Amino acid sequence: GDSVTQTKGPVTLSEGTSLTVNCSYETKQYPTLFWYVQYPGEGPQLLFKVPKANEKGSNRGFEATYDKGTTSFHLQKASVQESDSAVYYCVLGGASGSWQLIFGSGTQLTVMP
Amino acid sequence: EAAVTQSPRNKVTVTGGNVTLSCRQTNSHNYMYWYRQDTGHGLRLIHYSYGAGNLQIGDVPDGYKATRTTQEDFFLLLELASPSQTSLYFCASSGDISQNTLYFGAGTRLSVL
Repeated sequence: GDSVTQTKGPVTLSEGTSLTVNCSYETKQYPTLFWYVQYPGEGPQLLFKVPKANEKGSNRGFEATYDKGTTSFHLQKASVQESDSAVYYCVLGGASGSWQLIFGSGTQLTVMP
Repeated sequence: EAAVTQSPRNKVTVTGGNVTLSCRQTNSHNYMYWYRQDTGHGLRLIHYSYGAGNLQIGDVPDGYKATRTTQEDFFLLLELASPSQTSLYFCASSGDISQNTLYFGAGTRLSVL
């Protein structure tokens, strides 16, 4: 069935260092891929989405490329800030002809000052 | 910006107790959803609705009922709460099933003792 696998956390980084959160997906369809972010005490919110293969999405300095060849959608940021501390979810949408969103298990990121 | 309000924010009950979680959205969205969030599982869909009086079953519906009384209001009911239902519950809304961008509330933390 359809699934999403992402980096198991927690991940702890120092401010100014680079971030990569790996995300791999499985589906036989042509999904839309998302990254959602959840700050402490809040619900998840959309970071960005990419509906087409080989395209890149970005927001707030984060970016990810929808790579159909390797079925990956890794989240990257060149220089993290303390305010980036949150849980990041890789999400698969529209797989198997269904509208439903399939969430990865989430990656907790803590950025130390 | 979409607005989804959940109440209560925290709830403690005993095994066998009766609990109702409330959600109101003020965005005129057609779709509303209930998710639960547990460590290691990401977000899992319990029930959803595409309009007043409509209810659809999600991926983990056992032990939960839901009711959509108006376009704005969606309730999750636990009639015989069990410790396995201790979780963080999120309500979300979206305007169209094809948009698949969800707007989440801040969550309700439920403890079943």
